[in-house]
Amino acid sequence: EAQVTQNPRYLITVTGKKLTVTCSQNMNHEYMSWYRQDPGLGLRQIYYSMNVEVTDKGDVPEGYKVSRKEKRNFPLILESPSPNQTSLYFCASRMGLGGPYTGELFFGEGSRLTVL
Amino acid sequence: AQSVTQLDSHVSVSEGTPVLLRCNYSSSYSPSLFWYVQHPNKGLQLLLKYTSAATLVKGINGFEAEFKKSETSFHLTKPSAHMSDAAEYFCVVWGNSGGYQKVTFGIGTKLQVIP
Repeated sequence: EAQVTQNPRYLITVTGKKLTVTCSQNMNHEYMSWYRQDPGLGLRQIYYSMNVEVTDKGDVPEGYKVSRKEKRNFPLILESPSPNQTSLYFCASRMGLGGPYTGELFFGEGSRLTVL
Repeated sequence: AQSVTQLDSHVSVSEGTPVLLRCNYSSSYSPSLFWYVQHPNKGLQLLLKYTSAATLVKGINGFEAEFKKSETSFHLTKPSAHMSDAAEYFCVVWGNSGGYQKVTFGIGTKLQVIP
């Protein structure tokens, strides 16, 4: 089954304790991205990756890091989490440029993070 | 510059009546437009997409949307609401220019369906 898998789905942590949210897709997609969803703000893009070793900032990258060492994985790293990073996070993937399905994003189920 | 405006944060309809969720966009380039649905505690699921083919786009579950370039709109409609349509809906613009990828989400419209 084609899917995007995020872990953990729920996490409560404390300020300053490094954490990683993993994201894996089994569709051989080139493009992967991270979003955070906050009430009244919709989804905002944090980082995206066009392919292995190619990453770029989205609209709200401060406080986050990413890496893309393998095509299927795109972890989101919070080096020193703060309470304003409490949010619902989504990973998504899609095929690369071109093709009949250009632009369609496939989403994971989300990771709800609380930073105390 | 690229932006998406969902004109209503909440819409309430009675079961069996039509649904209209409004979306306006702006983009410097010919964009791709999408509607996604999010049920509680779930990820986003694609409803339909416009990618410069037919301007009237049909999606899943009886939803459709019409791309109107002159009005820069991409409103989502359904002739008859069902209880299972209660969810949050997001209008999304995807711009592609010279390999630069920019995706912008609207803030969402919560659809309530009253029995």
